[in-house]
Amino acid sequence: GEDVEQSLFLSVREGDSSVINCTYTDSSSTYLYWYKQEPGAGLQLLTYIFSNMDMKQDQRLTVLLNKKDKHLSLRIADTQTGDSAIYFCAESKRGSTLGRLYFGRGTQLTVWP
Amino acid sequence: SQTIHQWPATLVQPVGSPLSLECTVEGTSNPNLYWYRQAAGRGLQLLFYSVGIGQISSEVPQNLSASRPQDRQFILSSKKLLLSDSGFYLCAWSHPQETQYFGPGTRLLVL
Repeated sequence: GEDVEQSLFLSVREGDSSVINCTYTDSSSTYLYWYKQEPGAGLQLLTYIFSNMDMKQDQRLTVLLNKKDKHLSLRIADTQTGDSAIYFCAESKRGSTLGRLYFGRGTQLTVWP
Repeated sequence: SQTIHQWPATLVQPVGSPLSLECTVEGTSNPNLYWYRQAAGRGLQLLFYSVGIGQISSEVPQNLSASRPQDRQFILSSKKLLLSDSGFYLCAWSHPQETQYFGPGTRLLVL
């Protein structure tokens, strides 16, 4: 199975909160990342969290990490139409000399006005 | 600050033709470099990575090859393109064990 799994689609109304979920399999993960991809563009790093943290907040973004359940979430407060994009969850694994990232398939977030 | 460039932005090529995609990084030295492909299913597939000049590791067997002729230059090539090579190709860089930063991508359509 996949190392990192995400639901493929999420639709929300403008102004509501969005919660994008991700599960991973490797308990030795060191960092977990959220990237955003707008249509036709590369991936933009949004935020990341170290595996010994439970939460990280950065303006409208809140990342929650549940290590016991290997569950990561990204909450976007006051979602705007400009937040419509694909959001990728990724993990890096301890012991990987390359620092390779393992990506989920991405969640397409659609924000309706 | 560091920047990463990819060239060209878009490419349409016939089946059987050669390919050369270029990725260059500015503002850093001795980066790790990566080539990913993003196909229609939107997932990212790691194709190649490099930890130094002339050092290339391949993740999956395929019709493509990579080279790193200079510290901050990473090239993706093919001698004969297949229809299945169509996709969105992303280059990324990182320092070892640190965050990866992505380029703007090259959209390749093989007809």
